[in-house]
Amino acid sequence: NAGVTQTPKFRILKIGQSMTLQCTQDMNHNYMYWYRQDPGMGLKLIYYSVGAGITDKGEVPNGYNVSRSTTEDFPLRLELAAPSQTSVYFCASSYLGQRDSPLHFGNGTRLTVT
Amino acid sequence: KNEVEQSPQNLTAQEGEFITINCSYSVGISALHWLQQHPGGGIVSLFMLSSGKKKHGRLIATINIQEKHSSLHITASHPRDSAVYICAVRTTGGSQGNLIFGKGTKLSVKP
Repeated sequence: NAGVTQTPKFRILKIGQSMTLQCTQDMNHNYMYWYRQDPGMGLKLIYYSVGAGITDKGEVPNGYNVSRSTTEDFPLRLELAAPSQTSVYFCASSYLGQRDSPLHFGNGTRLTVT
Repeated sequence: KNEVEQSPQNLTAQEGEFITINCSYSVGISALHWLQQHPGGGIVSLFMLSSGKKKHGRLIATINIQEKHSSLHITASHPRDSAVYICAVRTTGGSQGNLIFGKGTKLSVKP
């Protein structure tokens, strides 16, 4: 199993550009999450999904959008990139149900907006 | 007051020392996670526990539900254990994806 696959690993954007961070998992997890981590800080939840077709805002959703058309994929869209969105982004997944699973994280995307 | 508090924030140890990292929480939980983030940035799950104690190699995690407290112990520490250790709790209610993270404990093990 590949686990959680997140692409790209690095990206530099100019202010105002848009991009999509891809995240896919092959563990049939129902919960998927997007976090950002600023230098020296903890993880902040951007958006999460409890299953295909269902998404909800986290702590810091402004400037981002998500979709969950399948169980496997949970892309994060940045519209009109701003320097404040310079951060490391992590996708994560887990299964919650009769037998909960541990959290699985992607390797992260280091995004710089200049 | 943060709902998940970790201590210490920073910890420096000599190789071979026994290390304890603490996590206290103030909400109702269904599970507690210990995560490890290496300097390269990747985050891996070490333990998920809802009661008692778990052991994996030199790592031991305990939780006391009544006291709302968990500890992560590392025996015979090694420089490769240097990382940030993060406690996260899955709450029994509310939104935000039901996960609340501590700010992490930065561990440095000197040879």
